[in-house]
Amino acid sequence: TQLLEQSPQFLSIQEGENLTVYCNSSSVFSSLQWYRQEPGEGPVLLVTVVTGGEVKKLKRLTFQFGDARKDSSLHITAAQPGDTGLYLCAGGRNYGQNFVFGPGTRLSVLP
Amino acid sequence: EAGVAQSPRYKIIEKRQSVAFWCNPISGHATLYWYQQILGQGPKLLIQFQNNGVVDDSQLPKDRFSAERLKGVDSTLKIQPAKLEDSAVYLCASSLLVSPKATEAFFGQGTRLTVV
Repeated sequence: TQLLEQSPQFLSIQEGENLTVYCNSSSVFSSLQWYRQEPGEGPVLLVTVVTGGEVKKLKRLTFQFGDARKDSSLHITAAQPGDTGLYLCAGGRNYGQNFVFGPGTRLSVLP
Repeated sequence: EAGVAQSPRYKIIEKRQSVAFWCNPISGHATLYWYQQILGQGPKLLIQFQNNGVVDDSQLPKDRFSAERLKGVDSTLKIQPAKLEDSAVYLCASSLLVSPKATEAFFGQGTRLTVV
């Protein structure tokens, strides 16, 4: 049973388009993180959100943590080929001491 | 600042053989994790150490997998004997508590294991 679900599983878009990917759970998390993973590399942390309703912006990326701290979204504006990768969300448990990862959304941005 | 170091990067073994992976975390990070990432899936936690003590090993297949973290720094993960379904990328991460609710983890590049 997947504790965290991510949608869509795959997404292929043209450069310049906007997109949103989602991370959903029936569980409440103390924190939620988004990572990007490129082929042959480990995941790289993009952002950590800890407060329900929190919104964080990182250049063209906007992250939101749901009010109930069960879900999150990642919005990318004007996607670029460099955004291509596997986007993973991870829910923090036990006061953030360990994580459970979702299965990821594989994004491909075509030039 | 040096990142999490893992070796080897790649390993190919036959089923029923044994294999070991090594991880050196970021200096000062007390928490170390081993994750298994099967192709097309997200990482799955195998074991978590706090210093040299085990915090969570509930998903570690203990009949064939073992891990240790001597002196609370480097760690090794061993599989003996390996099965075909163990083919995956094994990721090591270390983490820092950034707030009472959040820990940020930093990952190594992983070891890609292929069991044939």
